[in-house]
Amino acid sequence: QSVLTQPPSVSGAPGQRVAISCTGSSSNIGAGYDVHWYQQLPGTAPKVLIYGNSNRPSGVPDRFSGSKSGTSASLAITGLQAEDEADYYCHSYDSSLSGWVFGGGTKLTVL
Amino acid sequence: QVQLQQSGPGLVEPSQTLSLTCAISGDSVSSNSAGWNWLRQSPSRGLEWLGRTYYRSKWRSEYTVSVKSRITINPDTSKNQFSLQLSSVTPEDTAVYYCARGRDGYLDYWGQGTLVTVSP
Repeated sequence: QSVLTQPPSVSGAPGQRVAISCTGSSSNIGAGYDVHWYQQLPGTAPKVLIYGNSNRPSGVPDRFSGSKSGTSASLAITGLQAEDEADYYCHSYDSSLSGWVFGGGTKLTVL
Repeated sequence: QVQLQQSGPGLVEPSQTLSLTCAISGDSVSSNSAGWNWLRQSPSRGLEWLGRTYYRSKWRSEYTVSVKSRITINPDTSKNQFSLQLSSVTPEDTAVYYCARGRDGYLDYWGQGTLVTVSP
């Protein structure tokens, strides 16, 4: 069981908006540690999508956005496209474990 | 552009030591602003951070608790690479292993991944 909790799957039609939640606790997200998001296409390594809660690396479309509040964070994707179909992971630091932790991943299906 | 190239065997026998190497181009393993990480991914354990090595006036290493007694991550400054050694492996250590660069708390460059199977 992962330290950070994500829904196993979400889905949406092309053009729609979806959001993926990431719930932690007082020893990670709630302690103020940053949350980062990664996209993993089938057969490839994860790629950073959002860093520092809400920042996009160059080259990542502004359809992707991140936010954080309390012990949770969220990744929103607007204007869904078929190419967004992938697994998404949240990532933070946990002070009680003294290490980096990940969510269990969310599979996005574009209908 | 930073690139990480992984190498190492894809099959390891139970009780033996898993060894992988990650060659760095476009950055230095001795960088004062980066950390060099190993992670793994399996259906049963998900994405798991294993540990990292980094240089801040001296070499340091940090490991996740679950493998702390079995893991070593070492830098090799002469070849600009770093390595992972995981001892006493069992079938539960079967996974895709990744190396990755860490900066500002996140992982911005990843290796291509290596499937390591633990089997007789």
